[in-house]
Amino acid sequence: ETGVTQSPTHLIKTRGQQVTLRCSSQSGHNTVSWYQQALGQGPQFIFQYYREEENGRGNFPPRFSGLQFPNYSSELNVNALELDDSALYLCASSLVQQGATSPLHFGNGTRLTVT
Amino acid sequence: AQSVAQPEDQVNVAEGNPLTVKCTYSVSGNPYLFWYVQYPNRGLQFLLKYITGDNLVKGSYGFEAEFNKSQTSFHLKKPSALVSDSALYFCAVRDGGAGKSTFGDGTTLTVKP
Repeated sequence: ETGVTQSPTHLIKTRGQQVTLRCSSQSGHNTVSWYQQALGQGPQFIFQYYREEENGRGNFPPRFSGLQFPNYSSELNVNALELDDSALYLCASSLVQQGATSPLHFGNGTRLTVT
Repeated sequence: AQSVAQPEDQVNVAEGNPLTVKCTYSVSGNPYLFWYVQYPNRGLQFLLKYITGDNLVKGSYGFEAEFNKSQTSFHLKKPSALVSDSALYFCAVRDGGAGKSTFGDGTTLTVKP
């Protein structure tokens, strides 16, 4: 089975710019979620998509937005970048179905540096 | 609101000795609990989960975890540690079967030869 892949692996942006991060879910998975992991901290939930609709959001401002496509791939968009947005961004996919609880399957992340 | 606490930033054990990585949680409903491991510059890998049933859950690489409802704990254990177990370990609780996962801040496990 194909795992979760993310691109790019590293990215350097300037404050105020916009960035798009991409994720390809594991085959057979129908849900994708995004996490921000700052240095020395655990992953923080940004939002989750199921059937191309956002169905959960963490404490992140609206300049963090996303999309899920029919093939279950996903994008995370961040506008008006701030220095504090520098972090590892993790995409995770899972299978949500009646009566089953699938763990999250993570990609290796995109390391975003905002200067 | 749900939360996870990992009270130890660092755990050091000698190879061959048993290891325990601690986790306590808070959730309003029934807890869905998970352990993940993270190696440098990599994403998280699933180790094991507790949803319901037997309080002792077995997972990958010889790890197990014990669910204790009265103490709201879900400690990760392994009878005999390996140097290759050295990594960053995260405990997580999920809001229902399909909800968001909340992670602790992680515990760095170092196993010395």
